[in-house]
Amino acid sequence: GGIITQTPKFLIGQEGQKLTLKCQQNFNHDTMYWYRQDSGKGLRLIYYSITENDLQKGDLSEGYDASREKKSSFSLTVTSAQKNEMAVFLCASSIWDQDTQYFGPGTRLLVL
Amino acid sequence: GDSVTQTEGPVTLSEGTSLTVNCSYETKQYPTLFWYVQYPGEGPQLLFKVPKANEKGSSRGFEATYNKEATSFHLQKASVQESDSAVYYCALSAPNSGGSNYKLTFGKGTLLTVTP
Repeated sequence: GGIITQTPKFLIGQEGQKLTLKCQQNFNHDTMYWYRQDSGKGLRLIYYSITENDLQKGDLSEGYDASREKKSSFSLTVTSAQKNEMAVFLCASSIWDQDTQYFGPGTRLLVL
Repeated sequence: GDSVTQTEGPVTLSEGTSLTVNCSYETKQYPTLFWYVQYPGEGPQLLFKVPKANEKGSSRGFEATYNKEATSFHLQKASVQESDSAVYYCALSAPNSGGSNYKLTFGKGTLLTVTP
């Protein structure tokens, strides 16, 4: 078994601020993902990384950067937070050639 | 591109009644179909998945059959419990050009509330 840890659990930012969310996994999985979850819109893929130092854009990458410096960690940066933005950011991981993804508990973002 | 459409919520049921959450999908590939469940304050977790057409998946009393002809994967449970209150996501994974499955396409989710 394993676990995905996301920090921080809650993030409150100001408009225009650059905000960084972190994700760690101890599954030893190759592939990691960042999703954005908005009420009524499901999960939308922002970035994913097949292996260390690899980055692939998802459907919602504009306004975000990502970084995968090592196998166990994957960071997401909101480059300029938008006022009244409220969403949950979910990190997930999977074995490289298998499709089941395992999710962390999420980081809840609020921009004032 | 791929898409998944599921029952719009919220759905409220009394304990002991039956549940159906409809899910239909569109893809040009041969997908694996998933149901994920998300409890309050947690991330989604896999309920079950079905990789082959005409097969059934099940877990914790929930089941769904991969219907390739109808492009459907409806979630059913005969008798819901209060502890089943959660958001349910239908999803598909279709192989990319390299043959490995990297991306899941999710439906918008269905919030289920079960009252005692």
